[in-house]
Amino acid sequence: DIQMTQSPSSLSASVGDRVTITCRASQGISNYLAWFQQKPGKAPKSLIYAASSLQSGVPSKFSGSRSGTDFTLTISSLQPEDFATYYCQQYNSYPLTFGGGTKVEIK
Amino acid sequence: EVQLLESGGGLVQPGGSLRLSCTASGFTFGSYPMNWVRQAPGKGLEWVSGISSRASNTYYADSVKGRFTISRDNSKNTLYLQMNSLTAEDTAVYYCAKYRERWEPSEFDYWGQGTLVTVSS
Repeated sequence: DIQMTQSPSSLSASVGDRVTITCRASQGISNYLAWFQQKPGKAPKSLIYAASSLQSGVPSKFSGSRSGTDFTLTISSLQPEDFATYYCQQYNSYPLTFGGGTKVEIK
Repeated sequence: EVQLLESGGGLVQPGGSLRLSCTASGFTFGSYPMNWVRQAPGKGLEWVSGISSRASNTYYADSVKGRFTISRDNSKNTLYLQMNSLTAEDTAVYYCAKYRERWEPSEFDYWGQGTLVTVSS
């Protein structure tokens, strides 16, 4: 199985900050990497697919990138509605696997 | 508008069974593979099972293989998850999720709101 290691597990940031979350795959997954946002008590929301493509309706302050087996989600200017938990997920092969999540909290 | 509505969750005793349903609307259900993903209380996301658009292929996480069965009825726009031999470790919110593409695996684009399954005596 492909392991997805996400870091950090949590971070504190202020409104307006630039935030970066990293996800490392245990083996090559090409660009088959997605990012999700989840708020408490709500279903996950799809943000990014194919490492860097935005899902329809997702604001451009979210961006994704890839370097080998390392993937990054960046929020360019954190807003109050962005405080949530973020997950990466590989869909290169079954079983699909998720990172452990990064909780973004208000500083 | 794409909508996925799960149902069938509830309280079940260890060793018991439960069948979840996910009713879809707003897209051609029979053209897309579908999945179940779960989240234990306070924990992260765990993929559970997937099924191709015409149910010819099914996929399972090792943690549920042999106990859970995924199926679909394209005439009813409904996805199912039959869960047998349930244990406390199966306690979670179960989400259905749609693939963005018509092949599998691909990326998820829409998720249901989830249904809570609690396994306890």
